[in-house]
Amino acid sequence: AQSVAQPEDQVNVAEGNPLTVKCTYSVSGNPYLFWYVQYPNRGLQFLLKYITGDNLVKGSYGFEAEFNKSQTSFHLKKPSALVSDSALYFCAVSPRGSNYQLIWGAGTKLIIKP
Amino acid sequence: EAGVAQSPRYKIIEKRQSVAFWCNPISGHATLYWYQQILGQGPKLLIQFQNNGVVDDSQLPKDRFSAERLKGVDSTLKIQPAKLEDSAVYLCASSRAPLGQGTYEQYFGPGTRLTVT
Repeated sequence: AQSVAQPEDQVNVAEGNPLTVKCTYSVSGNPYLFWYVQYPNRGLQFLLKYITGDNLVKGSYGFEAEFNKSQTSFHLKKPSALVSDSALYFCAVSPRGSNYQLIWGAGTKLIIKP
Repeated sequence: EAGVAQSPRYKIIEKRQSVAFWCNPISGHATLYWYQQILGQGPKLLIQFQNNGVVDDSQLPKDRFSAERLKGVDSTLKIQPAKLEDSAVYLCASSRAPLGQGTYEQYFGPGTRLTVT
């Protein structure tokens, strides 16, 4: 079965430090890859996507993600964390030919401490 | 542009009652999705529309859930009768993509938090 794994339920980072939120997937072919963020009592917001090309993609709010085909990973990164980055982050994968449906990870809670 | 609108934001009902949720997607977006999100989990797709046609409803519990998208714009999701396990946040999302014409991200509404007692 196709799946997306976010191995960490929670990531704690001090403000100003770099952050990484991990995502690996088990999906056949060359899927499309996405990151979304969910703030409390708000809907999901799109951060960035990988379709093809450069393995490092840049997105909103200073976030970027690195695609690694051999490791089937798509880790979310930011060079310097802000307290306002604290939220729930979801990795999602869309298999090609799937009518653009998304397979979602379970989410990682990111806590940035001042 | 205006975002995806959903109403109500919160709803509390007793089991066996019925409930309906409304969604207005971003103008011009061809594809509309309804998701169920249980606390601590990623969203689960319930149904996907393109314009006013159903693309996929394989995970919609059709004995109690129904959805429609008349005229290819607004959509409603109904639960009748509700069960305790239906307590969740119901998210509506829309995407510009007509299928096969590019890869567009989904834009989500704020969701409706349903509590079934």
